[in-house]
Amino acid sequence: TQLLEQSPQFLSIQEGENLTVYCNSSSVFSSLQWYRQEPGEGPVLLVTVVTGGEVKKLKRLTFQFGDARKDSSLHITAAQTGDTGLYLCAGAWNQFYFGTGTSLTVIP
Amino acid sequence: DTGVSQDPRHKITKRGQNVTFRCDPISEHNRLYWYRQTLGQGPEFLTYFQNEAQLEKSRLLSDRFSAERPKGSFSTLEIQRTEQGDSAMYLCASSLARSSGGRAHEQFFGPGTRLTVL
Repeated sequence: TQLLEQSPQFLSIQEGENLTVYCNSSSVFSSLQWYRQEPGEGPVLLVTVVTGGEVKKLKRLTFQFGDARKDSSLHITAAQTGDTGLYLCAGAWNQFYFGTGTSLTVIP
Repeated sequence: DTGVSQDPRHKITKRGQNVTFRCDPISEHNRLYWYRQTLGQGPEFLTYFQNEAQLEKSRLLSDRFSAERPKGSFSTLEIQRTEQGDSAMYLCASSLARSSGGRAHEQFFGPGTRLTVL
């Protein structure tokens, strides 16, 4: 049973386009993390959101935590080829529950 | 470098052999997690420790898998009698569990150990 569902599973876009990745659950989490992972490497933490409704910005990346702390979104503005990778969300309670992942490819 | 480290980075073994992986967490972190990940999928939880105590194990973890964290610092993950289905990336992560409610907040990953079982 997957507690967190991410959509889309695969995304291929042109450089300069905008995109949004969604992370949805029926469970409430104390916090939610977003990671980016490149092939052959471990996931790298991008951001942690804690408060319902919270919005955090990291350069061209905008992260939002749902009011009920059950879902989150990641928006990338003007995607670059360096954004290519596997994006993972993880909800925290006593342990961490990972989403299914979104594989993003940015084409030059 | 004070990040999470894992050793080895790659391991190739024959079916039926035993393998052991090591993870060194961030020094002040009291929680340590093991995950398994196959290509294109999210990490699958295996087990986690708080200090030296193993608090939870996934029901997916067969009896061939065992993990230890004897002194509450580094941890080892052993797979006995490896099978081809064990081929995956094995990830270790650590976090600092907060005293209020004992809920984990952020975890940081090591580079992983890529296991190939022939």
